[in-house]
Amino acid sequence: KAGVTQTPRYLIKTRGQQVTLSCSPISGHRSVSWYQQTPGQGLQFLFEYFSETQRNKGNFPGRFSGRQFSNSRSEMNVSTLELGDSALYLCASSFGRDTNTDTQYFGPGTRLTVL
Amino acid sequence: AQSVSQHNHHVILSEAASLELGCNYSYGGTVNLFWYVQYPGQHLQLLLKYFSGDPLVKGIKGFEAEFIKSKFSFNLRKPSVQWSDTAEYFCAVTPSSNTGKLIFGQGTTLQVKP
Repeated sequence: KAGVTQTPRYLIKTRGQQVTLSCSPISGHRSVSWYQQTPGQGLQFLFEYFSETQRNKGNFPGRFSGRQFSNSRSEMNVSTLELGDSALYLCASSFGRDTNTDTQYFGPGTRLTVL
Repeated sequence: AQSVSQHNHHVILSEAASLELGCNYSYGGTVNLFWYVQYPGQHLQLLLKYFSGDPLVKGIKGFEAEFIKSKFSFNLRKPSVQWSDTAEYFCAVTPSSNTGKLIFGQGTTLQVKP
């Protein structure tokens, strides 16, 4: 069974630009969650999508947005990039239905560097 | 607000030493608990999880964790570490009613000396 895949793996952008990251979940998973990992702040939750609807949202500014498609693939967009947006962006997928057994599995991440 | 605290930020052990990493969470309701591991250059992997039932759960590679509800703790243990256990370990929590949002601790870097 293929794992969570994320593209691209590495990105270099300049301040003010925008970026779109992509995540393909494990087959059968309908929930996709996004996290930002930085040395200073650790792993922070961005948002979760389930069946094309945002179900949870973290405490990030509106420059961070996402969406999910009917095949459960998800994209995350960051507009007007700032230096502080440099981070590893992780995507995780799960079935999203049964709360007693639901487990998130992570992709390799996209390393975003903002210059 | 929900939070997770990992007490040890950096642990250095010799091979064959025993390991215990502390994790405490703050949440008043029922929770699901996880430990994830990130080996150097690799992605975050699930080590073990607790949903309900026996509070002592076993995971991969000889790791286990004990959920103590009264202490809001979920400590990770391994009787004898190996050099290959060198990695960063993350404790995470979700409310049972909302499993889409993992709250992570700050992580513990484990360095095992051969």
